[in-house]
Amino acid sequence: DTAVSQTPKYLVTQMGNDKSIKCEQNLGHDTMYWYKQDSKKFLKIMFSYNNKELIINETVPNRFSPKSPDKAHLNLHINSLELGDSAVYFCASSQGTELGAFFGQGTRLTVV
Amino acid sequence: AQSVTQPDIHITVSEGASLELRCNYSYGATPYLFWYVQSPGQGLQLLLKYFSGDTLVQGIKGFEAEFKRSQSSFNLRKPSVHWSDAAEYFCAVGANDDMRFGAGTRLTVKP
Repeated sequence: DTAVSQTPKYLVTQMGNDKSIKCEQNLGHDTMYWYKQDSKKFLKIMFSYNNKELIINETVPNRFSPKSPDKAHLNLHINSLELGDSAVYFCASSQGTELGAFFGQGTRLTVV
Repeated sequence: AQSVTQPDIHITVSEGASLELRCNYSYGATPYLFWYVQSPGQGLQLLLKYFSGDTLVQGIKGFEAEFKRSQSSFNLRKPSVHWSDAAEYFCAVGANDDMRFGAGTRLTVKP
């Protein structure tokens, strides 16, 4: 039973399209995150939510809009995709920062 | 915001040798510190964490890390490396629903 699941695992799309990535956690955690991992493996935090409330919004373009319908879900919608958006996007969740975060398997987004 | 530096981009060790991966953090208060491992094509797995108490923490897969406040460091160690330990290792610092990662250290294990 997957703790943090993301869909889809792979996403190939053309520039200018709009796409969404879904994330669900069944751990009962209050906090969820989105991270972007670039080709050099650097992990950059994009957003964090605590119980559906936005906590961190880290200088991410407005084209990226997170949506948290409930505390078990944090979806990422991306408008007008650009080549530079190609990366692996990771969703994570935690119950208290001190306990660490559990990560999903990632969504590899390729914009062509 | 807090930040993390991993000075070594790539480390190569021989199987059976000891390992130390370096991590330095910047944060004004007592940090929550973590080490994660990422195998190719996989998500991140938590190896160990520190948030209070004993400064030497034990993790999974035989790893340990030592928190040194005076040096702002949280180095990861393993006494004897196995070929399956080859992966990318990330140090992270967390506070207030905000977790920041270092750039990662890629570990190669020679037979």
